Amino acid sequence: DADVTQTPRNRITKTGKRIMLECSQTKGHDRMYWYRQDPGLGLRLIYYSFDVKDINKGEISDGYSVSRQAQAKFSLSLESAIPNQTALYFCATSDTGPAKNIQYFGAGTRLSVL
Amino acid sequence: AQSVTQLGSHVSVSEGALVLLRCNYSSSVPPYLFWYVQYPNQGLQLLLKYTTGATLVKGINGFEAEFKKSETSFHLTKPSAHMSDAAEYFCAVSADNQGGKLIFGQGTELSVKP
Repeated sequence: DADVTQTPRNRITKTGKRIMLECSQTKGHDRMYWYRQDPGLGLRLIYYSFDVKDINKGEISDGYSVSRQAQAKFSLSLESAIPNQTALYFCATSDTGPAKNIQYFGAGTRLSVL
Repeated sequence: AQSVTQLGSHVSVSEGALVLLRCNYSSSVPPYLFWYVQYPNQGLQLLLKYTTGATLVKGINGFEAEFKKSETSFHLTKPSAHMSDAAEYFCAVSADNQGGKLIFGQGTELSVKP
């Protein structure tokens, strides 16, 4: 089984709908991240969480919200989806201490907003 | 602030030829540098990293990269390309004062011709 699991893997939704992307991990890491990937732009950080009570905005948080339900779970929500949120979304985790800079990624969720 | 620039969004090489993917970074503090690889329909996988110490770092699948502070570069090389190396490659930078957050480059898609 994958250490970082994202569900769903693919999702098509309509403009204005609320949608939630879920991420769970079995690595025991405290830190979790949500990124979006767009062609030619690389990965951009949406939100990150260093522990259950510590959630921070990233580079492009507008239009998104997150919930850290437990150490192992970090969900990303689009309250009212719009077409320019069509992208590939990745969840990642990292440890603390000397290994804090190494991130482990899920397989991604491909989201299309029509 | 930190940033990463990958030169060339697409690189094509013949099987057996040298692979060279270019990455330049900007950082006001000593950087940590990473190369990640993304195979089709998969998440990102760490290829190699530089934190401190030896400036030539070796990674998985025969790849290596050299940290050159004077040139602010961290280019990725492999002496002989294999068909299985076809993927997208991302350079990323972090630092001690970034709390584990990564800044990614735009990505370079590597094609390998038979």
